[in-house]
Amino acid sequence: DAGVIQSPRHEVTEMGQEVTLRCKPISGHDYLFWYRQTMMRGLELLIYFNNNVPIDDSGMPEDRFSAKMPNASFSTLKIQPSEPRDSAVYFCASSLVEAGLRDTQYFGPGTRLTVL
Amino acid sequence: ILNVEQSPQSLHVQEGDSTNFTCSFPSSNFYALHWYRWETAKSPEALFVMTLNGDEKKKGRISATLNTKEGYSYLYIKGSQPEDSATYLCAFIRNSGYALNFGKGTSLLVTP
Repeated sequence: DAGVIQSPRHEVTEMGQEVTLRCKPISGHDYLFWYRQTMMRGLELLIYFNNNVPIDDSGMPEDRFSAKMPNASFSTLKIQPSEPRDSAVYFCASSLVEAGLRDTQYFGPGTRLTVL
Repeated sequence: ILNVEQSPQSLHVQEGDSTNFTCSFPSSNFYALHWYRWETAKSPEALFVMTLNGDEKKKGRISATLNTKEGYSYLYIKGSQPEDSATYLCAFIRNSGYALNFGKGTSLLVTP
């Protein structure tokens, strides 16, 4: 398996623009997680899905952020409109369903977002 | 947001030294604790998932213990090698809400 795939790997955009980050989990994994990493706050969980359904979105910073999982093999994290303080590395991770959050999470390579 | 504290923040050891660091977390409502190894410019890589009080896990020269009653986990590295240089993160999950709360990590540098 190719592992968790994220695209793009790097994104540079201007303030006010819409940004869409994409993630393909490992095949057969039913949990999908979106994280954000910043120097100030470290690694933070934004939202996670189980069987394509959002379970906990309490980490989503504000209404400008939204995430969807239309099917088991694809998820998006959208920021609209983007702001400079959204600049960070965004990671996607997936895990098997059997042990839920007690199972190992496999991280993608991350998307480095820079908002000018 | 739950307080997950890791100490020390950074550590510099010589090749061959053994070392350990700590993850402290709330002792109530424990569900699971994850340890990750994170090299610069790469993604976090899972080391251990610990679920029971008294758990001990081992992978090569790295091992971890768990005390859920007092709210801490230790990660040990025996005979550190330069390739062990990375940030070691722990993540606490409680049994209500199930959100993962990461510590800030311990940054380990092993020099030859």
